[in-house]
Amino acid sequence: SYELTQPPSVSVSPGQTARITCSGDALPKKYAYWYQQKSGQAPVLVIYEDSKRPSGIPERFSGSSSGTMATLTISGAQVEDEAVYFCSSTDSSGNPLFGGGTQLTVL
Amino acid sequence: QVQLMESGGGVAQPGRSLRLSCAASGFTFSAYAMHWVRQAPGKGLEWVAVISDDGNNKYYTDSVRGRFTISRDNSKNTLYLQVNSLRDEDTAVYYCAKDPGDYGDVRYYFDYWGQGTLVTVSS
Repeated sequence: SYELTQPPSVSVSPGQTARITCSGDALPKKYAYWYQQKSGQAPVLVIYEDSKRPSGIPERFSGSSSGTMATLTISGAQVEDEAVYFCSSTDSSGNPLFGGGTQLTVL
Repeated sequence: QVQLMESGGGVAQPGRSLRLSCAASGFTFSAYAMHWVRQAPGKGLEWVAVISDDGNNKYYTDSVRGRFTISRDNSKNTLYLQVNSLRDEDTAVYYCAKDPGDYGDVRYYFDYWGQGTLVTVSS
């Protein structure tokens, strides 16, 4: 079955660039999506279709995908970006699946 | 603005049932597929089910098929999840989420989420 693998944690200082990866065998054929979940809150879509940013999401959030890896990049990370980030795609049946999540620490 | 408000969660014994609801506003509810996604305490996200805009097509993750039923009432702008034969592993926050594709164009990702309702299965 398809799986999406993320690192458990990433840590950067404020103003640095944070990169969170998501690997999966299906990613060459499927879009990647990224959700931000702050503590105690619902997830928020930050990137869709590999690299598109929804309205209201700051420009410092960007996405890319190459081969079996998708990457969420936060350029100039802010303290308020501290959250768990989940990548998502679809499995062989077309159903959504999620990576395990990456805790981003900005301090 | 889009708002999704879940309700109906609570504590239930193993084997019992609950009915979750999600009241939608701020968009043409009848035009969009809707999903349920759950999150066990301290764990990741798990997609549960999807229903098409007209309610005629429904799909489930394997672990809930045959026990959970997704439905909708477009006249009331409300999404439902009937959860039967509850198991310990169903303990989670259940989120309703809107699909961005309209009029049959289901995209299988989520552009808006509710705040969730907690289901706790415990004897």
